[in-house]
Amino acid sequence: AQTVTQSQPEMSVQEAETVTLSCTYDTSESDYYLFWYKQPPSRQMILVIRQEAYKQQNATENRFSVNFQKAAKSFSLKISDSQLGDAAMYFCAYRIDAGGTSYGKLTFGQGTILTVHP
Amino acid sequence: ETGVTQTPRHLVMGMTNKKSLKCEQHLGHNAMYWYKQSAKKPLELMFVYNFKEQTENNSVPSRFSPECPNSSHLFLHLHTLQPEDSALYLCASSQGQGSSDTQYFGPGTRLTVL
Repeated sequence: AQTVTQSQPEMSVQEAETVTLSCTYDTSESDYYLFWYKQPPSRQMILVIRQEAYKQQNATENRFSVNFQKAAKSFSLKISDSQLGDAAMYFCAYRIDAGGTSYGKLTFGQGTILTVHP
Repeated sequence: ETGVTQTPRHLVMGMTNKKSLKCEQHLGHNAMYWYKQSAKKPLELMFVYNFKEQTENNSVPSRFSPECPNSSHLFLHLHTLQPEDSALYLCASSQGQGSSDTQYFGPGTRLTVL
């Protein structure tokens, strides 16, 4: 079974600085997708970034980037130039690539609470 | 409205009550999901519907009964719940096809069972 582990229950960062959130996963599959979701205190879960396992290039979305290490089964999220609005719970998630009818299960990690200090 | 909406946002019910949670998506998606988010636990997938057909029931107790009348609406009917069912219930939707399928979430319903 696939598992996703976020080993940092809480992290903090100063505004404008950089923080990295860790995620590891366990799978025997070779084709899959990885996601980082953000859940602010208002509770709306928002997709931050997505990585296809078959792509060697790390995904980037503005200030958010990932360090995807397939062999190590590691998928960390780097937030650059942190802003107060980045404060939230961050979830790492995994989904198998089920091909043409992919409505597969998302497996989530436990989450990391990120605090941003002004 | 846009995205995925859920009503009510908060619900308090007794163990003998019957209530329903509603989810609506305005994204033209074909798949919808119910998740349970309890404190200090990962999100747990409960049900998946794709093109109105239930494709996943993740060993959910029968006191939770989902209904998907069309691709835009998803309900979760609740009856004789237990206090341990208190949690945030999240709905999500996705295209339901294609390997790059991505789920989009609603704001959730905070359920308290007394």
